[in-house]
Amino acid sequence: SYEVTQPLSVSVALGQTARIPCGGYNIGTKSVHWYQQKPGQAPVLVIYRDNNRPSGIPERFSGSNSGNTATLTVSRAQAGDEADYFCQVWDSSPSVVFGGGTKLTVL
Amino acid sequence: EAQLVESGGGLVQPGRSLRLSCAASTFTFHTYALHWVRRAPGKGLEWVSGITWNNGVIGYVDSVKGRFTISRDNAKNSLYLQMNSLRAEDTALYYCAKGVTVGAAFDIWGQGTMVTVSS
Repeated sequence: SYEVTQPLSVSVALGQTARIPCGGYNIGTKSVHWYQQKPGQAPVLVIYRDNNRPSGIPERFSGSNSGNTATLTVSRAQAGDEADYFCQVWDSSPSVVFGGGTKLTVL
Repeated sequence: EAQLVESGGGLVQPGRSLRLSCAASTFTFHTYALHWVRRAPGKGLEWVSGITWNNGVIGYVDSVKGRFTISRDNAKNSLYLQMNSLRAEDTALYYCAKGVTVGAAFDIWGQGTMVTVSS
């Protein structure tokens, strides 16, 4: 089955840019979705189909996907962006695969 | 605003059964695929199962195959997860989530219902 990998944690200084990678074999050929989950809250979709933002998600959130890595970019990071971030793809079974999640810390 | 509300969680002994429900409001429930996703304590998100708008089962994660059954009742705007032969490793917060179709992102999530499997 398909696997995607994420770093356990990423740190970013307040106001700087955070990049969260999601690795998988030829992931650039798949659509990647990204979710933000804060403690005690349900996940929220922040990027769909690699680089599309749902209504209400700030422009500071963007995505890219090429080769073996998809990336979620959080520009001008704020304290409120601290959360767990998960990438997600569909594999061919079909079934859904989530990355292990990355904890974003804003310093 | 579209909403999903889960119910049916609780404390259950290993080997017993539990049925989760998810009620939807303010969207055309019967036109969308729905999924169950769980998050165990200290772990990440794990897709459990999904079902198409017309009751076609998309699939199950390997660890629940043969034990869990997903179903829906479009007339009642409800999604269900029948969980049998529960194990300690099934302990998690279970979310229902809406996706447009196979391949789509999950754009609406419920707040979750907690399932604890323990003797």
